[in-house]
Amino acid sequence: DVKVTQSSRYLVKRTGEKVFLECVQDMDHENMFWYRQDPGLGLRLIYFSYDVKMKEKGDIPEGYSVSREKKERFSLILESASTNQTSMYLCASSLVSNYGYTFGSGTRLTVV
Amino acid sequence: AQTVTQSQPEMSVQEAETVTLSCTYDTSESDYYLFWYKQPPSRQMILVIRQEAYKQQNATENRFSVNFQKAAKSFSLKISDSQLGDAAMYFCAYGGSQGNLIFGKGTKLSVKP
Repeated sequence: DVKVTQSSRYLVKRTGEKVFLECVQDMDHENMFWYRQDPGLGLRLIYFSYDVKMKEKGDIPEGYSVSREKKERFSLILESASTNQTSMYLCASSLVSNYGYTFGSGTRLTVV
Repeated sequence: AQTVTQSQPEMSVQEAETVTLSCTYDTSESDYYLFWYKQPPSRQMILVIRQEAYKQQNATENRFSVNFQKAAKSFSLKISDSQLGDAAMYFCAYGGSQGNLIFGKGTKLSVKP
């Protein structure tokens, strides 16, 4: 069964900490995406990548960065966590975007 | 820029009944794809149904079907014979030339026994 795996389901971090959210897919997909999900706001795109070492900003990239050193792994980095980054983070991958995404289970991040 | 609007934040349906979730979108593109995703309380988003804009025939997947009105830019999801397991957040999404999907804000569906 094909999978997108996010390393943590729940995470609690302190304000100012550097936070790494990891996402790994086993489908040999070219495209990977990071979204955050907040009640009433739906899913908002943070960053995406169409190839190794390549990254593109989404709609809300401020306060985040990403890394894609290998095709299967796409990491989201919060350089200095703040309380307004408390959210659900969803990773997704796709072979071709218009065939839809496969999502991970999500990471619920709380910044205190 | 493309936008996706789901005008019903919450919906409720009786078990075994039929419910329709609304979605409208705005785009100037002629070639695109539309999706409905389901997110149960366990959180993992799963693809329910996919529609290609150039196909006039409405997509169906078992009890799930869409009413795709390209001129009206409308893409509603109909769930027939609703089951308790259909209770979830449902997201409508648009995929066009930009390569990533644009999501609506979601509709929370409750199913009453």
